[in-house]
Amino acid sequence: GQQVMQIPQYQHVQEGEDFTTYCNSSTTLSNIQWYKQRPGGHPVFLIQLVKSGEVKKQKRLTFQFGEAKKNSSLHITATQTTDVGTYFCAGKPLGGGSQGNLIFGKGTKLSVKP
Amino acid sequence: DVKVTQSSRYLVKRTGEKVFLECVQDMDHENMFWYRQDPGLGLRLIYFSYDVKMKEKGDIPEGYSVSREKKERFSLILESASTNQTSMYLCASRPTGQAYEAFFGQGTRLTVV
Repeated sequence: GQQVMQIPQYQHVQEGEDFTTYCNSSTTLSNIQWYKQRPGGHPVFLIQLVKSGEVKKQKRLTFQFGEAKKNSSLHITATQTTDVGTYFCAGKPLGGGSQGNLIFGKGTKLSVKP
Repeated sequence: DVKVTQSSRYLVKRTGEKVFLECVQDMDHENMFWYRQDPGLGLRLIYFSYDVKMKEKGDIPEGYSVSREKKERFSLILESASTNQTSMYLCASRPTGQAYEAFFGQGTRLTVV
C-alpha cells in the first residue's frame, strides 16, 4: 500500500542546535502537510506544500517539497525548548487514494535539552 | 474558531465491554477520521467517512466499527474491548479537496483492563 516513511523516529538535541526530519513517499504526492503535536496534546497543522521544489519558511522552520513530489523535509534552526514535540508529515497521493484521506508518517519525536 | 470535540478525555473500560467513542465537529466538513496513536507507531487510520452513512476501512479496522448518521458526528465502536485496544484515539475532520488541513480533537486515552 501507499506509505510515507519518516526519519528519524527520535532526535535529542542541545538547545541551539539545528534539527531536521525527513519524509519519503512510495508514490507521488499532490501535496504534503506538516503537523506538530506537543506532549499531551493533539496534532496541529503547521503548513502545506503543493508545488514541486517548493520551500516555505515560518520563522526558524524551513519546509521543503522535493522536485519529484515524493519527499519533504522540515528543518529547525537553533532549536528552543518550545520546539519539543512530535512532528508529522502527511501526504495526499496524486490521483489516487480515497477522497479526503491523508497518509501520515510515523512522526519524529524531538526533545531539546536546555 | 473551528472545533473537533471528543466526548471523553480519559476512559477506563473492562475487557469484553462495548465501547463508544464520540466525535463532533462544527465545521461542516465532509470527511471525518478515527486514528489510534501508540508509541513508535505514529497515527494509524482505523476508519474514515467521506459522507453521511458512508465509511471506508483504514489500515487497522479489525475489532472496530463506526457510525455516521449525521454529518457532524462520527462514532467509533469497540464491539468487545480487549486489552490490546488500550491506546490514544484521535478523531479528525477535513473538508474535501486538495488544499485543506485536518483538524484534530483533543484525543481520548482509553484503557481496557
